[in-house]
Amino acid sequence: DQQVKQNSPSLSVQEGRISILNCDYTNSMFDYFLWYKKYPAEGPTFLISISSIKDKNEDGRFTVFLNKSAKHLSLHIVPSQPGDSAVYFCAASGTGGGNKLTFGTGTQLKVEL
Amino acid sequence: DGGITQSPKYLFRKEGQNVTLSCEQNLNHDAMYWYRQDPGQGLRLIYYSQIVNDFQKGDIAEGYSVSREKKESFPLTVTSAQKNPTAFYLCASSAGTGGEQYFGPGTRLTVT
Repeated sequence: DQQVKQNSPSLSVQEGRISILNCDYTNSMFDYFLWYKKYPAEGPTFLISISSIKDKNEDGRFTVFLNKSAKHLSLHIVPSQPGDSAVYFCAASGTGGGNKLTFGTGTQLKVEL
Repeated sequence: DGGITQSPKYLFRKEGQNVTLSCEQNLNHDAMYWYRQDPGQGLRLIYYSQIVNDFQKGDIAEGYSVSREKKESFPLTVTSAQKNPTAFYLCASSAGTGGEQYFGPGTRLTVT
């Protein structure tokens, strides 16, 4: 049972444009959401997070939006840069879960020149 | 520099042998985690530890064992009982009060 879903395995955008990566979840107990970026053969790097008490969080070129009623979150990268090309994982944790993270399957972003 | 160290980067073993993957952190984090990543899949939790001398099974603990004798160290043993041990193994740590986990560089284990 995939509790965190990233339905797009890949996404291609042009440099300078906006990249939008999507994530859906099914567990109502999730209250904290994170995005990680991962290059091949390396560990994931934390990008940005959002608590369920918020609907938006910004950090430079990265913005995460949370729609609790739809159980949906998205990561916006603007402007996209070639160095953003990587796999992006959405993750979620819930109260009482011992800070366990449940990860999605990832979206491969390719930013083209 | 604070961080998480995993060694070795690549590890090769014969089927039927146990192998131990190292994970060390100097972030003074209470919690540590082990995940595996397979092609086309997300990270799946093997074991986690929220405090020294205590650990819990994750979603795919069968065929694995861990110990947490020191705050800084959380080694993972892949036993011969693990049916599909070839994977990319990632160790992470967190402050333990919620929030983000920080990952090491990973160990690619190949069992033939």
